[in-house]
Amino acid sequence: AQKITQTQPGMFVQEKEAVTLDCTYDTSDPSYGLFWYKQPSSGEMIFLIYQGSYDQQNATEGRYSLNFQKARKSANLVISASQLGDSAMYFCAMTGGTSYGKLTFGQGTILTVHP
Amino acid sequence: GAVVSQHPSRVICKSGTSVKIECRSLDFQATTMFWYRQFPKQSLMLMATSNEGSKATYEQGVEKDKFLINHASLTLSTLTVTSAHPEDSSFYICSASKRLVGISNQPQHFGDGTRLSIL
Repeated sequence: AQKITQTQPGMFVQEKEAVTLDCTYDTSDPSYGLFWYKQPSSGEMIFLIYQGSYDQQNATEGRYSLNFQKARKSANLVISASQLGDSAMYFCAMTGGTSYGKLTFGQGTILTVHP
Repeated sequence: GAVVSQHPSRVICKSGTSVKIECRSLDFQATTMFWYRQFPKQSLMLMATSNEGSKATYEQGVEKDKFLINHASLTLSTLTVTSAHPEDSSFYICSASKRLVGISNQPQHFGDGTRLSIL
């Protein structure tokens, strides 16, 4: 079974500063994928970044980077230069093994960016 | 632009009504789609896996007769909440992926969700 844990129910950051959202996972599958999604108050799920279990380098997408530490089973999201529009719920999720496409989500972290 | 369309975005109806929610993949064929349920400020919980041309696979604890899933074509899956009651009020959201072979960096694309309110 797969499990995703996000231990930060809420995070606050000042505009233009960087913030790290924590995510740890547990799986017995050697091959898996890790995703981060953003969910604004309107409800839609916005894909941010992906990290494969065999990827050698940490994934980056614009202001988003994923700090992947495989031995520690962590996949933290780093948002640089926070913007007011970054205020939202953020979910870490994983897929793997025979559950192709099926995502297991963490509890989520509500990020609030202050001006 | 959106690659998965979900309709309707909001439904308010009386208790006992059946409600149908549609999920369409717009520019790709999706042999598998997923339906999730989300309560306010909580995580997404997978309800079922919708398989084109065959029966859906439901997660443990999800009532098959309450939440009917039909995946009659490669671009459309529907979720029908039968005889809905206030406790069925929730945010329902579907997802589909452009590729579903092995571990892929193709993310699940989500519809915009449906807010269901049963009075």
